[in-house]
Amino acid sequence: DGGITQSPKYLFRKEGQNVTLSCEQNLNHDAMYWYRQDPGQGLRLIYYSQIVNDFQKGDIAEGYSVSREKKESFPLTVTSAQKNPTAFYLCASTRKNTEAFFGQGTRLTVV
Amino acid sequence: QKEVEQNSGPLSVPEGAIASLNCTYSDRGSQSFFWYRQYSGKSPELIMFIYSNGDKEDGRFTAQLNKASQYVSLLIRDSQPSDSATYLCAVNRAGGSYIPTFGRGTSLIVHP
Repeated sequence: DGGITQSPKYLFRKEGQNVTLSCEQNLNHDAMYWYRQDPGQGLRLIYYSQIVNDFQKGDIAEGYSVSREKKESFPLTVTSAQKNPTAFYLCASTRKNTEAFFGQGTRLTVV
Repeated sequence: QKEVEQNSGPLSVPEGAIASLNCTYSDRGSQSFFWYRQYSGKSPELIMFIYSNGDKEDGRFTAQLNKASQYVSLLIRDSQPSDSATYLCAVNRAGGSYIPTFGRGTSLIVHP
Protein backbone atom coordinates (compact mmCIF):
# COMPACT_ATOMS: atom_id res chain seq x y z
CA ASP A 1 0.00 0.00 0.00
CA GLY A 2 1.17 3.53 -0.77
CA GLY A 3 1.79 5.93 2.03
CA ILE A 4 4.17 8.03 4.07
CA THR A 5 6.36 6.56 6.76
CA GLN A 6 7.86 8.66 9.51
CA SER A 7 10.38 7.40 12.01
CA PRO A 8 10.90 7.25 14.84
CA LYS A 9 7.50 7.69 16.46
CA TYR A 10 9.08 9.08 19.63
CA LEU A 11 12.44 10.84 19.88
CA PHE A 12 14.29 12.32 22.81
CA ARG A 13 16.92 14.99 22.35
CA LYS A 14 19.50 16.18 24.80
CA GLU A 15 20.43 19.83 25.03
CA GLY A 16 22.85 20.83 22.26
CA GLN A 17 22.24 17.70 20.21
CA ASN A 18 21.19 17.50 16.56
CA VAL A 19 18.57 14.90 15.68
CA THR A 20 17.19 13.77 12.33
CA LEU A 21 13.59 12.78 11.63
CA SER A 22 12.98 10.44 8.72
CA CYS A 23 10.20 10.76 6.14
CA GLU A 24 9.76 8.36 3.22
CA GLN A 25 6.89 8.20 0.71
CA ASN A 26 6.01 5.75 -2.05
CA LEU A 27 3.11 7.76 -3.48
CA ASN A 28 5.24 9.21 -6.29
CA HIS A 29 4.37 12.72 -5.11
CA ASP A 30 6.63 15.55 -6.17
CA ALA A 31 5.92 17.88 -3.24
CA MET A 32 6.82 17.13 0.37
CA TYR A 33 6.40 19.22 3.52
CA TRP A 34 7.41 19.36 7.17
CA TYR A 35 5.04 20.84 9.74
CA ARG A 36 5.37 21.44 13.44
CA GLN A 37 2.37 21.22 15.77
CA ASP A 38 2.36 22.49 19.35
CA PRO A 39 -0.43 21.66 21.83
CA GLY A 40 -3.67 23.39 20.87
CA GLN A 41 -2.10 24.83 17.75
CA GLY A 42 -2.48 24.23 14.05
CA LEU A 43 0.24 23.07 11.71
CA ARG A 44 3.06 25.50 11.02
CA LEU A 45 5.20 25.01 7.92
CA ILE A 46 8.92 24.43 8.50
CA TYR A 47 10.27 23.53 5.04
CA TYR A 48 8.89 22.29 1.77
CA SER A 49 10.24 20.78 -1.42
CA GLN A 50 8.51 20.61 -4.77
CA ILE A 51 11.25 18.85 -6.69
CA VAL A 52 14.35 16.78 -6.01
CA ASN A 53 17.42 18.80 -4.99
CA ASP A 54 15.35 21.90 -4.26
CA PHE A 55 13.64 23.06 -1.07
CA GLN A 56 12.29 26.28 0.40
CA LYS A 57 11.96 27.73 3.88
CA GLY A 58 8.53 27.85 5.40
CA ASP A 59 7.24 30.11 8.14
CA ILE A 60 9.40 28.75 10.99
CA ALA A 61 12.60 27.40 9.38
CA GLU A 62 15.10 28.75 11.92
CA GLY A 63 16.93 25.94 13.72
CA TYR A 64 15.94 23.30 11.16
CA SER A 65 17.53 21.91 8.00
CA VAL A 66 16.39 19.51 5.27
CA SER A 67 17.62 17.71 2.19
CA ARG A 68 15.86 16.24 -0.84
CA GLU A 69 18.32 13.97 -2.59
CA LYS A 70 15.65 11.47 -3.66
CA LYS A 71 12.01 11.94 -4.62
CA GLU A 72 10.94 9.47 -1.95
CA SER A 73 12.85 10.96 0.99
CA PHE A 74 12.72 14.29 2.84
CA PRO A 75 14.56 14.09 6.19
CA LEU A 76 14.38 16.92 8.73
CA THR A 77 17.26 17.76 11.07
CA VAL A 78 16.48 19.63 14.26
CA THR A 79 19.68 21.45 15.14
CA SER A 80 20.93 22.74 18.46
CA ALA A 81 20.00 26.22 17.24
CA GLN A 82 16.33 25.33 17.70
CA LYS A 83 15.81 26.39 21.30
CA ASN A 84 12.34 24.98 21.83
CA PRO A 85 12.10 21.82 19.73
CA THR A 86 9.60 19.88 21.84
CA ALA A 87 6.62 19.36 19.51
CA PHE A 88 4.78 16.95 17.24
CA TYR A 89 6.35 16.86 13.76
CA LEU A 90 4.35 15.89 10.72
CA CYS A 91 5.61 15.08 7.24
CA ALA A 92 3.20 15.36 4.31
CA SER A 93 3.19 15.02 0.55
CA THR A 94 0.87 16.15 -2.23
CA ARG A 95 0.24 15.91 -5.91
CA LYS A 96 -0.22 19.35 -7.44
CA ASN A 97 -3.04 21.28 -5.73
CA THR A 98 -4.61 18.25 -4.07
CA GLU A 99 -5.00 17.07 -0.50
CA ALA A 100 -2.07 16.40 1.81
CA PHE A 101 -1.19 12.86 2.84
CA PHE A 102 0.43 12.63 6.26
CA GLY A 103 2.80 10.30 8.00
CA GLN A 104 1.99 9.14 11.54
CA GLY A 105 4.13 11.88 13.09
CA THR A 106 7.18 12.04 15.33
CA ARG A 107 6.89 13.34 18.87
CA LEU A 108 10.15 15.02 19.86
CA THR A 109 10.93 15.77 23.48
CA VAL A 110 13.94 17.57 24.94
CA VAL A 111 15.35 15.82 28.02
CA GLN B 1 -4.06 38.69 9.75
CA LYS B 2 -3.54 34.94 9.76
CA GLU B 3 -3.98 33.24 6.41
CA VAL B 4 -6.52 30.69 7.66
CA GLU B 5 -8.62 31.45 10.73
CA GLN B 6 -10.77 29.15 12.80
CA ASN B 7 -12.43 29.47 16.18
CA SER B 8 -10.45 27.18 18.48
CA GLY B 9 -13.55 26.19 20.47
CA PRO B 10 -14.29 23.87 22.06
CA LEU B 11 -17.59 23.46 20.27
CA SER B 12 -19.84 21.22 22.33
CA VAL B 13 -22.94 19.61 20.79
CA PRO B 14 -25.25 16.83 21.94
CA GLU B 15 -25.29 13.49 20.18
CA GLY B 16 -27.53 13.60 17.11
CA ALA B 17 -27.24 17.36 16.61
CA ILE B 18 -25.68 19.25 13.73
CA ALA B 19 -22.16 20.57 14.33
CA SER B 20 -21.17 23.63 12.32
CA LEU B 21 -17.49 24.47 11.89
CA ASN B 22 -16.33 27.65 10.21
CA CYS B 23 -13.17 28.92 8.55
CA THR B 24 -12.09 32.11 6.79
CA TYR B 25 -9.05 32.63 4.59
CA SER B 26 -7.18 35.71 3.45
CA ASP B 27 -5.75 34.78 0.01
CA ARG B 28 -8.49 35.56 -2.50
CA GLY B 29 -6.65 33.55 -5.16
CA SER B 30 -6.90 30.27 -3.21
CA GLN B 31 -8.48 27.49 -5.25
CA SER B 32 -8.57 24.35 -3.09
CA PHE B 33 -10.11 23.90 0.34
CA PHE B 34 -9.92 20.95 2.69
CA TRP B 35 -11.23 19.76 6.04
CA TYR B 36 -9.15 17.32 8.08
CA ARG B 37 -10.04 15.51 11.29
CA GLN B 38 -7.32 14.97 13.88
CA TYR B 39 -7.67 12.78 16.93
CA SER B 40 -5.42 13.51 19.89
CA GLY B 41 -1.87 12.30 19.25
CA LYS B 42 -2.63 11.22 15.69
CA SER B 43 -1.98 12.71 12.28
CA PRO B 44 -4.72 14.57 10.34
CA GLU B 45 -6.97 12.62 7.98
CA LEU B 46 -8.92 14.10 5.09
CA ILE B 47 -12.69 14.47 5.60
CA MET B 48 -13.77 16.64 2.69
CA PHE B 49 -12.39 18.75 -0.12
CA ILE B 50 -14.17 21.43 -2.15
CA TYR B 51 -13.04 23.48 -5.12
CA SER B 52 -16.20 25.27 -6.33
CA ASN B 53 -18.66 27.64 -4.72
CA GLY B 54 -21.65 25.96 -3.16
CA ASP B 55 -22.25 22.81 -1.17
CA LYS B 56 -20.68 19.38 -1.40
CA GLU B 57 -22.18 16.48 0.50
CA ASP B 58 -20.59 13.17 1.51
CA GLY B 59 -22.58 11.06 3.92
CA ARG B 60 -23.09 12.99 7.16
CA PHE B 61 -20.64 15.70 6.07
CA THR B 62 -21.35 18.82 4.00
CA ALA B 63 -18.68 21.31 2.97
CA GLN B 64 -19.76 24.79 1.96
CA LEU B 65 -17.62 27.29 0.05
CA ASN B 66 -18.26 30.99 -0.56
CA LYS B 67 -15.28 32.49 -2.40
CA ALA B 68 -16.76 36.00 -2.45
CA SER B 69 -16.86 36.00 1.36
CA GLN B 70 -13.66 33.88 1.63
CA TYR B 71 -15.51 31.47 3.87
CA VAL B 72 -15.53 27.68 4.17
CA SER B 73 -17.65 25.64 6.51
CA LEU B 74 -18.19 22.02 7.49
CA LEU B 75 -21.50 20.66 8.73
CA ILE B 76 -21.66 17.33 10.51
CA ARG B 77 -25.18 15.93 10.73
CA ASP B 78 -26.28 13.37 13.34
CA SER B 79 -23.10 14.01 15.35
CA GLN B 80 -21.67 11.00 17.17
CA PRO B 81 -19.29 10.83 20.15
CA SER B 82 -16.74 9.34 17.74
CA ASP B 83 -16.77 12.66 15.87
CA SER B 84 -15.13 14.29 18.88
CA ALA B 85 -11.80 15.52 17.53
CA THR B 86 -10.05 18.63 16.26
CA TYR B 87 -11.09 19.74 12.78
CA LEU B 88 -8.48 21.53 10.71
CA CYS B 89 -9.36 23.79 7.81
CA ALA B 90 -6.69 23.94 5.09
CA VAL B 91 -6.26 26.07 2.01
CA ASN B 92 -3.74 25.54 -0.76
CA ARG B 93 -1.96 28.84 -1.23
CA ALA B 94 -2.21 30.29 -4.70
CA GLY B 95 0.69 31.46 -6.87
CA GLY B 96 1.72 28.16 -8.37
CA SER B 97 3.11 26.51 -5.24
CA TYR B 98 -0.18 25.17 -3.81
CA ILE B 99 1.28 24.91 -0.32
CA PRO B 100 -1.24 23.50 2.19
CA THR B 101 -1.85 26.16 4.86
CA PHE B 102 -3.72 25.21 8.00
CA GLY B 103 -5.86 26.95 10.56
CA ARG B 104 -5.30 26.24 14.24
CA GLY B 105 -8.25 23.85 14.32
CA THR B 106 -11.59 23.72 16.12
CA SER B 107 -12.05 21.22 18.93
CA LEU B 108 -15.42 19.45 18.68
CA ILE B 109 -16.94 17.60 21.63
CA VAL B 110 -20.03 15.48 21.04
CA HIS B 111 -21.59 14.48 24.35
CA PRO B 112 -24.04 11.61 24.78
